[in-house]
Amino acid sequence: EAGVAQSPRYKIIEKRQSVAFWCNPISGHATLYWYQQILGQGPKLLIQFQNNGVVDDSQLPKDRFSAERLKGVDSTLKIQPAKLEDSAVYLCASSLDTYNEQFFGPGTRLTVL
Amino acid sequence: GDSVTQMEGPVTLSEEAFLTINCTYTATGYPSLFWYVQYPGEGLQLLLKATKADDKGSNKGFEATYRKETTSFHLEKGSVQVSDSAVYFCALTSNTGKLIFGQGTTLQVKP
Repeated sequence: EAGVAQSPRYKIIEKRQSVAFWCNPISGHATLYWYQQILGQGPKLLIQFQNNGVVDDSQLPKDRFSAERLKGVDSTLKIQPAKLEDSAVYLCASSLDTYNEQFFGPGTRLTVL
Repeated sequence: GDSVTQMEGPVTLSEEAFLTINCTYTATGYPSLFWYVQYPGEGLQLLLKATKADDKGSNKGFEATYRKETTSFHLEKGSVQVSDSAVYFCALTSNTGKLIFGQGTTLQVKP
């Protein structure tokens, strides 16, 4: 069974530029999560989808971050404009349903210069 | 709000030493508790979990017991190997299902 796929694996941009990350969850998984992991810290949830609806986006900086999950499968996370403090690894995870085990993708490492 | 606190790292041990990584939590309700591991250059992997008080999760020689009375979920292994070198994260699920992680503890095992 294929795992959670993410791309790109690495991205370097300058501040004020925009960037987008893509996630393809495990087939059949209804719940999709985006986490931000800053160096030296544990991952922090940015947004949680149940199918194509948002369950929790309370920690998403909505002035610059946006995310969508069209058709309840793939998801895209966008940052516009990026700030230096957005440098982090962005992890996508999926689960069969809300309280099932979450499976993580390899992450996208973003560096903002 | 819900939170997880782990012991500060890094933890450096010799091969075959006993490992304990402390984890305590604050939560409303009855969360499930997890240990995740992140090997160098790899993604997060679930190591073990416990879903109710007094449950013991175990995997690959690692164990942790859900202690409701002390709100703890300490990770232990009787004899560590060099291949156990990684970052270990304690986590709980909130009432919405999201994972809340501790800050991570780096383990380095020397031969």
